[in-house]
Amino acid sequence: DQQVKQNSPSLSVQEGRISILNCDYTNSMFDYFLWYKKYPAEGPTFLISISSIKDKNEDGRFTVFLNKSAKHLSLHIVPSQPGDSAVYFCAAKVYNFNKFYFGSGTKLNVKP
Amino acid sequence: DTGVSQNPRHKITKRGQNVTFRCDPISEHNRLYWYRQTLGQGPEFLTYFQNEAQLEKSRLLSDRFSAERPKGSFSTLEIQRTEQGDSAMYLCASSLGASGNIGDEQYFGPGTRLTVT
Repeated sequence: DQQVKQNSPSLSVQEGRISILNCDYTNSMFDYFLWYKKYPAEGPTFLISISSIKDKNEDGRFTVFLNKSAKHLSLHIVPSQPGDSAVYFCAAKVYNFNKFYFGSGTKLNVKP
Repeated sequence: DTGVSQNPRHKITKRGQNVTFRCDPISEHNRLYWYRQTLGQGPEFLTYFQNEAQLEKSRLLSDRFSAERPKGSFSTLEIQRTEQGDSAMYLCASSLGASGNIGDEQYFGPGTRLTVT
């Protein structure tokens, strides 16, 4: 049951421009969402999260937007840097349940 | 503390053999998770511990899989009678796990890559 979907397997962006990574979910009970970044040969690294009581959370160059009615979240990276090149996973969970559901990932390539 | 560690990093085994992986979480984290990841997919939840109690298991975790977390510290994941379909990256993660969603962000180890021949 693929409850979290990332429909774009890859994205290529020029350095300095905005990167927008998208994620859709089907379970309306999800109330906490996270983004992870993964470099080759490493485990995923936590990037940013958002609770369903908010529609935006910002941390430096990274902003996550949540649209509950559309069951959609996005991660904006501004400005994009070559070091941001990695696979990005979105994940979701239901409040007080500790099973996390991950999307299949989007590979971001930031070109110098 | 340098983060979550996993051993071994790579394991090649023949079909039918048993394998055991170890995960050492961040010391103050009381929650520990095991995931499996195959090529082109995101991590798939296998099981979760709150301290030493195994509180949830995925249907993906067949009877050949068993996980333990004695004394609420390190954890082991054992796969008995391995099959070629078990070939995957096995990831361990830990989290602080405070109230509500606070502390739910997980810190992952580098994973153990299992190849069953």
